[in-house]
Amino acid sequence: AQSVAQPEDQVNVAEGNPLTVKCTYSVSGNPYLFWYVQYPNRGLQFLLKYITGDNLVKGSYGFEAEFNKSQTSFHLKKPSALVSDSALYFCAVRDHGGSQGNLIFGKGTKLSVKP
Amino acid sequence: GAGVSQSPRYKVAKRGQDVALRCDPISGHVSLFWYQQALGQGPEFLTYFQNEAQLDKSGLPSDRFFAERPEGSVSTLKIQRTQQEDSAVYLCASSLSNRGATTEAFFGQGTRLTVV
Repeated sequence: AQSVAQPEDQVNVAEGNPLTVKCTYSVSGNPYLFWYVQYPNRGLQFLLKYITGDNLVKGSYGFEAEFNKSQTSFHLKKPSALVSDSALYFCAVRDHGGSQGNLIFGKGTKLSVKP
Repeated sequence: GAGVSQSPRYKVAKRGQDVALRCDPISGHVSLFWYQQALGQGPEFLTYFQNEAQLDKSGLPSDRFFAERPEGSVSTLKIQRTQQEDSAVYLCASSLSNRGATTEAFFGQGTRLTVV
């Protein structure tokens, strides 16, 4: 069965420092991986996805993610954090065993960026 | 509007009451999904439509949950005889393609249901 793990409930970073939000996955078949961000009282917003090709994927708001097949990881990164990046981040994998397209989400990681 | 719209944003229901939650997907989007997000958890899949056809309802937690999309656009999630464990945020998402594996989904703001 497909699954996603986000090992950190919360990540604290100082503004201007690099940030990493971790995600590991377990899939049968090719992994289709996604990152979404959720601001308070807002819906999930798509950040980036890995389908195939270059292991480093660039997305919205300066975020990027590195796909590592040997470590089954898809960590989200940003070189310089902003206070406005503070939000809840979800990693997700496409469910190959289900319908065409539904996602399996991790539990989420709360990112807190302090000035 | 440009995005996925859900209504109502908040709903308080007395236990045993029936509720209906509405989702207006992005115009032209073929695929529509419903997810349930409990407090402190990630969203969990409920059901999937391709146009008006409900192709997957494997995530619906009980036969009290029912979803429809009769004309292939607006969708309604209905919960009968609500229970306290139904309290959650219900998210709707749509995507353009019916070959959905590689296509990102766009989410609405959700409906927060509280059963008292």
